[in-house]
Amino acid sequence: AQKITQTQPGMFVQEKEAVTLDCTYDTSDQSYGLFWYKQPSSGEMIFLIYQGSYDEQNATEGRYSLNFQKARKSANLVISASQLGDSAMYFCAMRELSSGNTPLVFGKGTRLSVIA
Amino acid sequence: DAGVIQSPRHEVTEMGQEVTLRCKPISGHNSLFWYRQTMMRGLELLIYFNNNVPIDDSGMPEDRFSAKMPNASFSTLKIQPSEPRDSAVYFCASSPGAYTPLHFGNGTRLTVT
Repeated sequence: AQKITQTQPGMFVQEKEAVTLDCTYDTSDQSYGLFWYKQPSSGEMIFLIYQGSYDEQNATEGRYSLNFQKARKSANLVISASQLGDSAMYFCAMRELSSGNTPLVFGKGTRLSVIA
Repeated sequence: DAGVIQSPRHEVTEMGQEVTLRCKPISGHNSLFWYRQTMMRGLELLIYFNNNVPIDDSGMPEDRFSAKMPNASFSTLKIQPSEPRDSAVYFCASSPGAYTPLHFGNGTRLTVT
């Protein structure tokens, strides 16, 4: 069964600094996708970045990058130049893709607080 | 693109009452997912549909929960009778394909007293 583990319940980072949020996963599927979502205090789920299991390069989207280490089964999110607006819950999630359009399985999340 | 639309945004009801949550997915998305979010259990899948057909409802807590998708543009999640432990935020999400993210609605915050 697929599983996502986020070991950091909470993180603090100084404004303008970079921060890494950890995510490890477990799956027996060879084809899968890894996703990160942001949930601010207003409650909506905002998609940030996607990495496919067969992608050779790490995904990047603006200030977000995904440090994908397939052998270690990790998919850490790196946020560069943190801003106050980055304070939120961050969820790592995975879809197994060999069976088609399947649900996301989520980790428990990491609460990031950016300090001025 | 209006995004996934959920209604109502907030619902407060008394124990024993019927509750119906509604979702309109993004046009052209062929998969729809219902999730529930609580502090204790996090984000958990309740049920999902592909092309309006329920694929996996193993996450539905018990027979008090039911979900339908009568057409490609509408889905409902019904709780009858509701109980205080059903209090949570219920999210609907849709997706056009396997290699794409899920697009979430703003959620319905349900409070059962």
